[in-house]
Amino acid sequence: NAGVTQTPKFRVLKTGQSMTLLCAQDMNHEYMYWYRQDPGMGLRLIHYSVGEGTTAKGEVPDGYNVSRLKKQNFLLGLESAAPSQTSVYFCASSYSRNTIYFGEGSWLTVV
Amino acid sequence: AQSVTQLDSHVSVSEGTPVLLRCNYSSSYSPSLFWYVQHPNKGLQLLLKYTSAATLVKGINGFEAEFKKSETSFHLTKPSAHMSDAAEYFCVVRALTQGGSEKLVFGKGTKLTVNP
Repeated sequence: NAGVTQTPKFRVLKTGQSMTLLCAQDMNHEYMYWYRQDPGMGLRLIHYSVGEGTTAKGEVPDGYNVSRLKKQNFLLGLESAAPSQTSVYFCASSYSRNTIYFGEGSWLTVV
Repeated sequence: AQSVTQLDSHVSVSEGTPVLLRCNYSSSYSPSLFWYVQHPNKGLQLLLKYTSAATLVKGINGFEAEFKKSETSFHLTKPSAHMSDAAEYFCVVRALTQGGSEKLVFGKGTKLTVNP
């Protein structure tokens, strides 16, 4: 049982480049989330989705876009990467009111 | 709005001594509270959760936490620290979004160091 899988695990981008982080879950969860983790800040919610075809903004959505075309996948896009987006990104999923499961993280550096 | 405050950014203990990681919460309704652990360069693992059942919650690896409504606290404890407990710990509250769905709100983390 894979759980929540994120790809890629590591990536270095140049300022202005674009990229997409992929999150896949095999637990048939309705809810999916993208968080970013920065030193001393804990995890902050970027965007989330409550079901296939739906997305919503979290606490820090600027500079990111998301899509949930299939229930099992939640994509996070950076259209024009900035150094401030250097962070560790975590995807998570849950079935309403139950435990939220996290992926292993994706380390992104923007130079 | 729901929030959590972790009172210590760093805690250092000796191996074999008790661990206390402090967390206070703010919630306008009965909260669901969690402790997650993150080892270096790893993802997050659920240690334990409180969802309005027993106020003393037992988790994995010998950790437990007590929900105290009168003190709005949910402190994490372990009787005897082990070297493998060295990690960062996050206190988390489940919150409602504006759209009525749910999200987790994280504290800023407490880094636990265990000295031999």
